Amino acid sequence: ETGVTQTPRHLVMGMTNKKSLKCEQHLGHNAMYWYKQSAKKPLELMFVYSLEERVENNSVPSRFSPECPNSSHLFLHLHTLQPEDSALYLCASSRGPGTQYFGPGTRLTVL
Amino acid sequence: DAKTTQPNSMESNEEEPVHLPCNHSTISGTDYIHWYRQLPSQGPEYVIHGLTSNVNNRMASLAIAEDRKSSTLILHRATLRDAAVYYCILSEGAQKLVFGQGTRLTINP
Repeated sequence: ETGVTQTPRHLVMGMTNKKSLKCEQHLGHNAMYWYKQSAKKPLELMFVYSLEERVENNSVPSRFSPECPNSSHLFLHLHTLQPEDSALYLCASSRGPGTQYFGPGTRLTVL
Repeated sequence: DAKTTQPNSMESNEEEPVHLPCNHSTISGTDYIHWYRQLPSQGPEYVIHGLTSNVNNRMASLAIAEDRKSSTLILHRATLRDAAVYYCILSEGAQKLVFGQGTRLTINP
């Protein structure tokens, strides 16, 4: 399934940098998600957007700021991250509560 | 969401069937059983889901116990490309998926 794309695929940033992760879905879905996958830990749901409105925020620190300008695009803005934020960040989309389709992820390293 | 229990790892041989178990003794009547898998260096991908009856699709079969407290994902003829981490997830709808550690499946040539 190549309907969900993420850019960049790899990102290295310093703790004082500001960067953004981008996700785009070409499947006509109306819900989008951000997950975090740290080494040796299960995927953690971060944010859920349904019809471009945030419907879930799982106690994520404010240094992560999501944005969903339309149903096809989802961003994760990063600011003053910590080394422990290094992880694989995965985007997914679905049609309502249907099956989720995942992108390949962005491998983030915070120095 | 109800919790699931899966073996940490399993190993099988190429071209043989693989049965991946999942226990979910606290499943509620409205919980669907979802299976996703994550191949190396990729995001998770949907495999199959079911509620009460056994399900088949082009990727796998899902056998659900009559009391719904356990289920088994069946890969009928494993290939090397089936090596992945397999996740069994319970959810009322697929919108909120809570991933556990999953089962790491190794396929021997």
